[in-house]
Amino acid sequence: AQSVAQPEDQVNVAEGNPLTVKCTYSVSGNPYLFWYVQYPNRGLQFLLKYITGDNLVKGSYGFEAEFNKSQTSFHLKKPSALVSDSALYFCAVSAPFSGGYNKLIFGAGTRLAVHP
Amino acid sequence: KAGVTQTPRYLIKTRGQQVTLSCSPISGHRSVSWYQQTPGQGLQFLFEYFSETQRNKGNFPGRFSGRQFSNSRSEMNVSTLELGDSALYLCASRGTEPYNEQFFGPGTRLTVL
Repeated sequence: AQSVAQPEDQVNVAEGNPLTVKCTYSVSGNPYLFWYVQYPNRGLQFLLKYITGDNLVKGSYGFEAEFNKSQTSFHLKKPSALVSDSALYFCAVSAPFSGGYNKLIFGAGTRLAVHP
Repeated sequence: KAGVTQTPRYLIKTRGQQVTLSCSPISGHRSVSWYQQTPGQGLQFLFEYFSETQRNKGNFPGRFSGRQFSNSRSEMNVSTLELGDSALYLCASRGTEPYNEQFFGPGTRLTVL
């Protein structure tokens, strides 16, 4: 069955330190991978995506993510965290044999808390 | 370019009633998808419409339905509301290509009493 796992419910990091939010997936076919962020009482904001090509993708607000096909992972990273990065982060995947590219399968979300 | 808009933002209904939520996609986007977000089940795909046709449907009962109009605006309807339907309902629109990301609206918070 197709699924996305975010193994950490919460990640705590000090401001200025690097951050990583983990994501692994299990789907059939070549996946498209996405990261979204959600602030309280808001919808989801797109951060970045991997479609094909370079395994390291750069996105909004200084975030980047690395696609690792052998480990079926797509971890979100940022070299220096800001307090304003504190939010709920979702990894999502779409794939041709897992509902099609028009259906996003989401992980459970990871709450990022950046402390001053 | 205006983003995805959803109305109403908040809604309170009682069990057994029905509700209609509305979504206006980004101009030029013909694909509209709906998702349900709850603390217990997370984000779950409801259905997707493209050019007034439902292209994909998630695992929800038939009480959940939707439609899309010729201007790409979409509505979803939930009939015979249950307490468990309380959720944030998110609408997303996407460009034509499959690799296009989905852009989400702010959501409609539905509370069923």
